[in-house]
Amino acid sequence: AQSVSQHNHHVILSEAASLELGCNYSYGGTVNLFWYVQYPGQHLQLLLKYFSGDPLVKGIKGFEAEFIKSKFSFNLRKPSVQWSDTAEYFCAVNERRDDKIIFGKGTRLHILP
Amino acid sequence: DVKVTQSSRYLVKRTGEKVFLECVQDMDHENMFWYRQDPGLGLRLIYFSYDVKMKEKGDIPEGYSVSREKKERFSLILESASTNQTSMYLCASSPSGTLYGYTFGSGTRLTVV
Repeated sequence: AQSVSQHNHHVILSEAASLELGCNYSYGGTVNLFWYVQYPGQHLQLLLKYFSGDPLVKGIKGFEAEFIKSKFSFNLRKPSVQWSDTAEYFCAVNERRDDKIIFGKGTRLHILP
Repeated sequence: DVKVTQSSRYLVKRTGEKVFLECVQDMDHENMFWYRQDPGLGLRLIYFSYDVKMKEKGDIPEGYSVSREKKERFSLILESASTNQTSMYLCASSPSGTLYGYTFGSGTRLTVV
């Protein structure tokens, strides 16, 4: 079955620490990849996306993600986190032949001031 | 600014009631989706629609139905609400294809007592 796996359910970091959130997917075909973020009390918003081209994509607020096709991975990174990055992060995938996006279970990130 | 509006932010309903959750988008998007979000389970797709009067079951359609009589409106119906349907319900829309990802509403937190 198609699935998206996020490695960590809950991550706690101090400000200025580096962040990497793991995401793997199990699709055989060509995919589009997304990271969404949900700040406390707010709606889900798109952080970044990959469709084609450079596998290293940059998003808002200093986030980036790298698509590694051979590993079916799309990990999210940020070199130095801030307290305002406290949120829940969702990795998501869709096959190009379909408009449905499948989401992972989410990673709650808590940044200590 | 692109918007997906969900009619209620919070709802409390009794077991056995018929519940309507409304979603309206003002972007002329073809696709609309209903997800439920539960802690530790991420977003799970309930129903989706790629066109007016068209609907498809998602991963967890049991106990739900939908209606899409107009392009901009996608309603989720709980035929007979049960306590296990207490959840956050998210509506999303997108143009045909996922080039821009989804735009999400703010969510409706439904409590069934």
